[in-house]
Amino acid sequence: DVKVTQSSRYLVKRTGEKVFLECVQDMDHENMFWYRQDPGLGLRLIYFSYDVKMKEKGDIPEGYSVSREKKERFSLILESASTNQTSMYLCASSSRTPIIQYFGPGTRLLVL
Amino acid sequence: GEDVEQSLFLSVREGDSSVINCTYTDSSSTYLYWYKQEPGAGLQLLTYIFSNMDMKQDQRLTVLLNKKDKHLSLRIADTQTGDSAIYFCAESDQAGTALIFGKGTTLSVSS
Repeated sequence: DVKVTQSSRYLVKRTGEKVFLECVQDMDHENMFWYRQDPGLGLRLIYFSYDVKMKEKGDIPEGYSVSREKKERFSLILESASTNQTSMYLCASSSRTPIIQYFGPGTRLLVL
Repeated sequence: GEDVEQSLFLSVREGDSSVINCTYTDSSSTYLYWYKQEPGAGLQLLTYIFSNMDMKQDQRLTVLLNKKDKHLSLRIADTQTGDSAIYFCAESDQAGTALIFGKGTTLSVSS
């Protein structure tokens, strides 16, 4: 059974803190993605990675960075958390053809 | 640019059929997808359809694709309260790397 896991289900951080969200997949997929989901805005792509050490900006990369040192692990970093980064963060990995994205359970981040 | 649009809400009674509609812009999309998100969870793939197909059926789910009008629909027969969720339509992007998602349709099923 395919599996994408995220390090935390719920996280509470203070403004200005550095925040790490980790995602691990066990399907040997090349592509991995980070989205944020907000009511009324749907899913917005933050960053994706198509190989180890490779990354591409998505639609809303500002305030975020990513790291992919190993194929199975993709980390999202909030360098200095702000209240407008309070959101649900979803990680996904995908097969190539067809592109089927498998999602983790999500991390609900609250920045105070 | 690429865009996927769907209505935001649908309310049905238990036992009725639900039809969720979606329009997309990229006619070169090879596959089109439906995902389901239950409260507090990530998205799970429900089904996908290859662009040269008109219809795909999987138990209570029927996907219809009108490529000329760039219209995709998901029909759920005999809708149950457990079908209450957000349903996302998606198409593959032009690079064939990622998916473009609609904003999601919240399906509410009342008993």
